Amino acid sequence: GQQVMQIPQYQHVQEGEDFTTYCNSSTTLSNIQWYKQRPGGHPVFLIQLVKSGEVKKQKRLTFQFGEAKKNSSLHITATQTTDVGTYFCAGKRSGTYKYIFGTGTRLKVLA
Amino acid sequence: DVKVTQSSRYLVKRTGEKVFLECVQDMDHENMFWYRQDPGLGLRLIYFSYDVKMKEKGDIPEGYSVSREKKERFSLILESASTNQTSMYLCASSAGRTGGGTGELFFGEGSRLTVL
Repeated sequence: GQQVMQIPQYQHVQEGEDFTTYCNSSTTLSNIQWYKQRPGGHPVFLIQLVKSGEVKKQKRLTFQFGEAKKNSSLHITATQTTDVGTYFCAGKRSGTYKYIFGTGTRLKVLA
Repeated sequence: DVKVTQSSRYLVKRTGEKVFLECVQDMDHENMFWYRQDPGLGLRLIYFSYDVKMKEKGDIPEGYSVSREKKERFSLILESASTNQTSMYLCASSAGRTGGGTGELFFGEGSRLTVL
């Protein structure tokens, strides 16, 4: 079945350092979404990417969708303590309602 | 404000008990989902529903069933709970194709189930 892998599983950074998480799907996706889950909370939608090669920015966050629509990345510039949490990608294939989540990257920011 | 409400935040059940987890959304969404979340495994899809009385298996449906008798309510049923079903269960909903929106998932707060 379809699999979505994320790396790294954990990342500890000093406040002010950059952070990147990568998402790879075994199959071509129609779109990909990114979610953030704060400790003790539930996943909250950040963004959706649809087009091949698409790049979107939200303040210090940059999201990319690969040309082949099988991989994606989230890059955070100059991390802050408020960025702490687990970041998940979720991919969907065309013709289905199912979103398959990646394994998540847990980010810890050290002040 | 959009809302997905799960009936119980914490449950403790015994092996073999029947367990019902209820989820209600107030956004008139067509699609509803049940995921379980375990450390290191992310969120895994158990079942989803794209319409009333319609359901499809996700990646790990074994040991679970679902019911969607009304549009706003999606129930997850563990017929005979086992210890390996101890987990955090997350319900989510999203608008269908006719509902517009980005297709983003709105999650409930989660139900942490412990099976002894």
